[in-house]
Amino acid sequence: GAVVSQHPSRVICKSGTSVKIECRSLDFQATTMFWYRQFPKQSLMLMATSNEGSKATYEQGVEKDKFLINHASLTLSTLTVTSAHPEDSSFYICSATPRGPEAFFGQGTRLTVV
Amino acid sequence: EDQVTQSPEALRLQEGESSSLNCSYTVSGLRGLFWYRQDPGKGPEFLFTLYSAGEEKEKERLKATLTKKESFLHITAPKPEDSATYLCAVQAILTGGGNKLTFGTGTQLKVEL
Repeated sequence: GAVVSQHPSRVICKSGTSVKIECRSLDFQATTMFWYRQFPKQSLMLMATSNEGSKATYEQGVEKDKFLINHASLTLSTLTVTSAHPEDSSFYICSATPRGPEAFFGQGTRLTVV
Repeated sequence: EDQVTQSPEALRLQEGESSSLNCSYTVSGLRGLFWYRQDPGKGPEFLFTLYSAGEEKEKERLKATLTKKESFLHITAPKPEDSATYLCAVQAILTGGGNKLTFGTGTQLKVEL
């Protein structure tokens, strides 16, 4: 299967600071990547679709200025949580679809804002 | 709006005790139904894609089936290493919808010795 790598796996930051999460496709090129958020015992919720070379598409209710997405190359998308607050603490996961509809996911990033 | 409901929420099995997990869905035109396995603190791992009613897929002790309203993930003679959360997701045929997935909340499976 295709390999999607996410970094870091865990991050703790202070309230008010910004955190960047990277998502890389290691063995394929991805014109589109997806960012999800998962709360404990809840389903994955799509936050936004990252498009290489153009603006991301955000789901309803997701603040664009809060969650900045940059897809600068065919193998890298980044999610920056700006001015993080404790309620932003969550598990963030990216995915890509190298061929067909099957999505392959990164390892996830556990963000804790203190 | 696409919806996915999984049951049960949690399932405890003895090693070797076969069972089935259910995924009920409503979608405006199904492009595909997907099963994933998720271990604690990890991203989901792809298991199967099913495209049309009557289709079946197998991998080791797992077998996925699909009808027009639901999918089942059958686990035959499970082992402790099968313990994980199993997620079901659907993708609709949407103009410009891309590859958006709608997930259920998962079934947390625990297989005991």
